[in-house]
Amino acid sequence: AQSVSQHNHHVILSEAASLELGCNYSYGGTVNLFWYVQYPGQHLQLLLKYFSGDPLVKGIKGFEAEFIKSKFSFNLRKPSVQWSDTAEYFCAVRTGGGNKLTFGTGTQLKVEL
Amino acid sequence: DGGITQSPKYLFRKEGQNVTLSCEQNLNHDAMYWYRQDPGQGLRLIYYSQIVNDFQKGDIAEGYSVSREKKESFPLTVTSAQKNPTAFYLCASSMQESSYNEQFFGPGTRLTVL
Repeated sequence: AQSVSQHNHHVILSEAASLELGCNYSYGGTVNLFWYVQYPGQHLQLLLKYFSGDPLVKGIKGFEAEFIKSKFSFNLRKPSVQWSDTAEYFCAVRTGGGNKLTFGTGTQLKVEL
Repeated sequence: DGGITQSPKYLFRKEGQNVTLSCEQNLNHDAMYWYRQDPGQGLRLIYYSQIVNDFQKGDIAEGYSVSREKKESFPLTVTSAQKNPTAFYLCASSMQESSYNEQFFGPGTRLTVL
């Protein structure tokens, strides 16, 4: 069965710092990759997704992620974080053409002023 | 205003009681899902349904049951057999026809069993 690893469980950054959150998955076939974000008190919402093509995908609010197939990774990046980026971030993988998603354990990001 | 509705937001039950969580969507999505979110464990799939009157077990289905009698509704029952039911429950839905779909999530129901 596939699994998704998010190694950073809690990250604390100052405003304007750069962000990179790690995501690794274990599946050798075709994958679709997602990053979701859960702001305090809000719905889980999609930040960005990768299906095929350019491995560097851009999402909402200045976030981007790079799919590196050889490393089974899909790390999330943002050049300069804001206080409003404080949230929990989840990486998810879909495999085999089905609809099921496997989620990572999440990374709690706190951005300090 | 399209979206996914989960009610109630907070639910309290006594140990040994069954409880049903509501999930309704007006997005005309074919597929619906139930996840459980626990701190440090991410989201884990309980059940999913790709079409009316059909559903499949996810990774942690024991102690839960579902029904899918209508396209827009996918209620989840947490039975007394679920050993640790206190958690945050999230419902999601997605289109079925296209491979390029994403799951949309509801606001969640926080269940506390006393």
